[in-house]
Formats: sequence, structure tokens, C-alpha cells
Amino acid sequence: SYVLTQPPSVSVAPGQTARLTCGGDNIGRKPVHWYQQRPGQAPVLVVYDDSDRPSGTPERFSGSNSGNTATLTISRVEAGDEADYYCQVWDNDSDHWVFGGGTKLTVL
Amino acid sequence: QVHLEQSGAEVKKPGASVKVSCKASGYSFTDHFIHWVRQAPGQGLEWMGWINPSNGDTNYAQKFRGTVTMTRDTSNSTAYMELSRLRFDDTAVYYCAREGSFGSGSYVFDFWGQGTLVTLSS
Repeated sequence: SYVLTQPPSVSVAPGQTARLTCGGDNIGRKPVHWYQQRPGQAPVLVVYDDSDRPSGTPERFSGSNSGNTATLTISRVEAGDEADYYCQVWDNDSDHWVFGGGTKLTVL
Repeated sequence: QVHLEQSGAEVKKPGASVKVSCKASGYSFTDHFIHWVRQAPGQGLEWMGWINPSNGDTNYAQKFRGTVTMTRDTSNSTAYMELSRLRFDDTAVYYCAREGSFGSGSYVFDFWGQGTLVTLSS
């Protein structure tokens, strides 16, 4: 089955840029979606189709996807961005949705 | 506005079954698949499967085939997820999520329920 690999944690100071990666075999060929999950809350979609933002997602959130790595970039990080972030793809071979293991973003 | 309201927390014994409900409002229930995702304490998200509320078709993740059953009641706009033969490692928060699209041809989980905690205890 298809595997998505995310670093367990990323730390960044306020105002700096956070880059959260999601690795997968030829992931660049698949649309990648990103979800933010704050403690005790349900996940919320923040980026879809690699780089598009649903209404309500700040422009500070952007995404890219190429080769074997997709990246969620959060510019000018704020304390409120502290959360777990999950990448997601549809695996055509298994007809399954797949989530990465998640990255905990800590704002120092 | 779209809202998914889930049933309350459950405590179960190993070997028992649990049935979680997800009542949809604010949209046409039969127009969007409903997915179930679970999250064990301190762990990540795990996709369990989906149900098409329009015709009842289902697709279960390989791991859950044989233990999960997803159903729906269109008269009440409610989806159900029943997990049987519960084990201690089934302790988790169970979420329902609506599948939506932004017109790009790909699908996302655009609205989520609040989650239902299922705890296994002897």
C-alpha cells in the first residue's frame, strides 16, 4: 500500500517560515491535500490539490508538489498556527485514502 | 451551513460492538460520500472507509474489512459506522467527514464531525 512519510515535528520562531514535508513514491503525480488539527479539535482542510486554498485559509499557507516530496509552507508563522498537520492522497492502486503520520508544528 | 453531528462517547468491553452515528444537515445528504476516520490517542489519522449515501455502496479499508459496517438512513440524513469484535487498540476518536470537491476533479474531506470517543475498558 502507498505510504506517506512526514517528519514528526518541526519547530519555528514566530514570523519565520515553516516548511512541512510529505514524502511518497512519485507523489508529484498525485494531488496532495493538507489538514490542520489543533488539540482537541477535528481536522480542517487548509490546502488542496497541492497548492490551492479553500476560503478561510490565510494566504500565508502555500503548497508545492514535485518528484517524491510535497511541501506545505507557512510564511510569517503565528502562535495560532501551532497544530498537527497531515498530508493526504488517494491511492488509485488500492482505492484507499492515505494519510501521512502527521507533523507537529511548534511555534517557539 | 453544513454540519455533521456525531453521537456521544461510548465505553465498551473487548469483543463487543459499537455503532456511531453522524447526522448531516445544511446540504443534500445523498449528494456527498461520507468517510470515517479514526485517531487513536496521541496518534495520527487513519482512514476506515466510505459510504455513498445515495445507494449505500461502501468501500472499506483493507484493515477493517470483516469488522466494520457502514450504513445510512436517508430519511434522517444520518450515516452510521459499526465496529465489531472490539479490541483495546480500537480505543480512538472516530470522525465522520463529508467528501467534497472544488471542481478540480479531485476530492477532499471538506467538513468533519466533532468526533466520538470510543473507549475500550474491561
